[in-house]
Amino acid sequence: DTAVSQTPKYLVTQMGNDKSIKCEQNLGHDTMYWYKQDSKKFLKIMFSYNNKELIINETVPNRFSPKSPDKAHLNLHINSLELGDSAVYFCASSHGLAGFPNTGELFFGEGSRLTVL
Amino acid sequence: GESVGLHLPTLSVQEGDNSIINCAYSNSASDYFIWYKQESGKGPQFIIDIRSNMDKRQGQRVTVLLNKTVKHLSLQIAATQPGDSAVYFCAENIRGYQKVTFGIGTKLQVIP
Repeated sequence: DTAVSQTPKYLVTQMGNDKSIKCEQNLGHDTMYWYKQDSKKFLKIMFSYNNKELIINETVPNRFSPKSPDKAHLNLHINSLELGDSAVYFCASSHGLAGFPNTGELFFGEGSRLTVL
Repeated sequence: GESVGLHLPTLSVQEGDNSIINCAYSNSASDYFIWYKQESGKGPQFIIDIRSNMDKRQGQRVTVLLNKTVKHLSLQIAATQPGDSAVYFCAENIRGYQKVTFGIGTKLQVIP
């Protein structure tokens, strides 16, 4: 039973294309996130949603549009892909909003490696 | 932003020795810290956390030390095993901000 699952695991596409990554969690959590990890392993938060409501939008280009149809799902759609979008994208979830006094324990998926050619 | 120009620090440790992974933070408002372990091809996994009103917390084979005076924390792993080989991240939370911000990461290599 995978707690946080992302699809696809690998995605190779051409510049200018539009693509989506899907994420689902079966942990009953109410908060979900998207993080981007670059080739140097630097992990940066992009978005967070709590009960389908956008909480954090970390100055991400508006080519990136998250959508949360329900608490268990947070999808990421990317328009007009650029070379710099190549990275591993991680979905995560937590019980309650991140940070004290709630929790710092985020549950991550296995990542979706996006390669833009 | 991106980590352009930065290199992932690497720590090599003999199997059975203790490992100490260090992390510096700059924001005095950070008051909650978390360590994560990321194995190759997987997502980060929570190890242990510590609040700013504590200076030490112990888990199973791991100890986190926090020195707020110099804005430094460390993760100590006792009797390091090959399965401990991974990238370790310290992460921080600033009170009132609902996000966890990750540091650069340190790659731990365990030599059999």
